[in-house]
Amino acid sequence: EVQLVESGGGLVQSGGSLRLSCAASGFTFNRHWMSWVRQAPGKGLEWVANIRLDGKEKYYVDSVKGRFAISRDNAKNSVSLQMNSLRAEDTAVYYCARHDDSGTFMFENWGQGTLVTVSS
Amino acid sequence: QSALTQPASVSGSPGQSITISCTGTSSDVGSYNLVSWYQQYPGKGPKLMIYEGTKRPSGVSNRLSGSKSGNTASLTISGLQAEDEADYYCCSYAGSSTYVFGTGTKVTVL
Repeated sequence: EVQLVESGGGLVQSGGSLRLSCAASGFTFNRHWMSWVRQAPGKGLEWVANIRLDGKEKYYVDSVKGRFAISRDNAKNSVSLQMNSLRAEDTAVYYCARHDDSGTFMFENWGQGTLVTVSS
Repeated sequence: QSALTQPASVSGSPGQSITISCTGTSSDVGSYNLVSWYQQYPGKGPKLMIYEGTKRPSGVSNRLSGSKSGNTASLTISGLQAEDEADYYCCSYAGSSTYVFGTGTKVTVL
């Protein structure tokens, strides 16, 4: 069974940093792109970042470029999101999502999310 | 990277059919047959319901179907059931390994 378990969320002051982690199990981790998707309270989903199988390609939504960094450790089956210079508008539940392994462009599995609250 | 436009809410009676639209641009929905749809219950993570515009993952009810015309994708739920009451989001590939989600639609079963 595919499992994605996020951790690392919490309360942080504006301008601060936080590192989110996602532990993956139940599948061959290094065969899947991985993404982070967030959802502000009462709002819709927003794709944040993704990372290629080998970690050599990374992509971000414009609003987090230069502040957030996605990484992965295929030996530990985990993907992380380092968030710096946090702003109030980064407050959201952050989901870890697995892309499928056949080249189609969708988010096949999701975690339960971890809440990040940025206080101003 | 503007969000795709969805109606805020759609409702229907049990057994009826409803359709949720998802309007993007020629840079996302219009350029790729790569729209996916997600169902989300309150307090839960999203669940993939449709991918590549029309395909259903294993285990997803065949009461759900997807389509696309120009810059607008649609999700139709036929034979509406109480369990279909949830939020639904479309998502399109937007090129250069980036994605854009829709604004979300709350489906209410009357």
